[in-house]
Amino acid sequence: GAVVSQHPSRVICKSGTSVKIECRSLDFQATTMFWYRQFPKQSLMLMATSNEGSKATYEQGVEKDKFLINHASLTLSTLTVTSAHPEDSSFYICSARQPNTEAFFGQGTRLTVV
Amino acid sequence: AQSVTQLGSHVSVSEGALVLLRCNYSSSVPPYLFWYVQYPNQGLQLLLKYTSAATLVKGINGFEAEFKKSETSFHLTKPSAHMSDAAEYFCAVSESGNTPLVFGKGTRLSVIA
Repeated sequence: GAVVSQHPSRVICKSGTSVKIECRSLDFQATTMFWYRQFPKQSLMLMATSNEGSKATYEQGVEKDKFLINHASLTLSTLTVTSAHPEDSSFYICSARQPNTEAFFGQGTRLTVV
Repeated sequence: AQSVTQLGSHVSVSEGALVLLRCNYSSSVPPYLFWYVQYPNQGLQLLLKYTSAATLVKGINGFEAEFKKSETSFHLTKPSAHMSDAAEYFCAVSESGNTPLVFGKGTRLSVIA
């Protein structure tokens, strides 16, 4: 099956710094990728839909200036958490979907802001 | 709008016993339905999917699910639980082939030796 690679798997950063998370579709072209956030023992909440070559679509309540999404190519989307604070600590997961099939998920990134 | 309800945030079964994880969905159009499994600090792995073909769907690791339109359900079952099945299970729905998935809150499955 298709593979989605997410990097890094774990990152610790200082409060006020920015962190970039990469999501790559390794064997298919993904015009659309999705970014989710998962709090401990909770479900995945959709943050935004990343569209290749255009602006991302953010879900209600998600700060677009804090969570910058770039989808510059058909195989790469990045999520940058800007000016991170401890409340941004979470598990972030990206997903890519081929038309009319299941969604493939990255391994997730555990972000800890200290 | 779509939604998914997973009954029971935690299910505990004995090794070798039947596993039944419940999922009910709401969708205004014929849905795509999925079950995913998540192990600690990992991404999601697809167990099985329903995309308007056969209503009884067989997945990996001995899991299967049945789509019942009249009950708006897509319950996940496995005849005999293994210790390795202990994980978090998510039911998800989407309304088309290229939209994001909407997830239920998840059910944590524990398997007792």
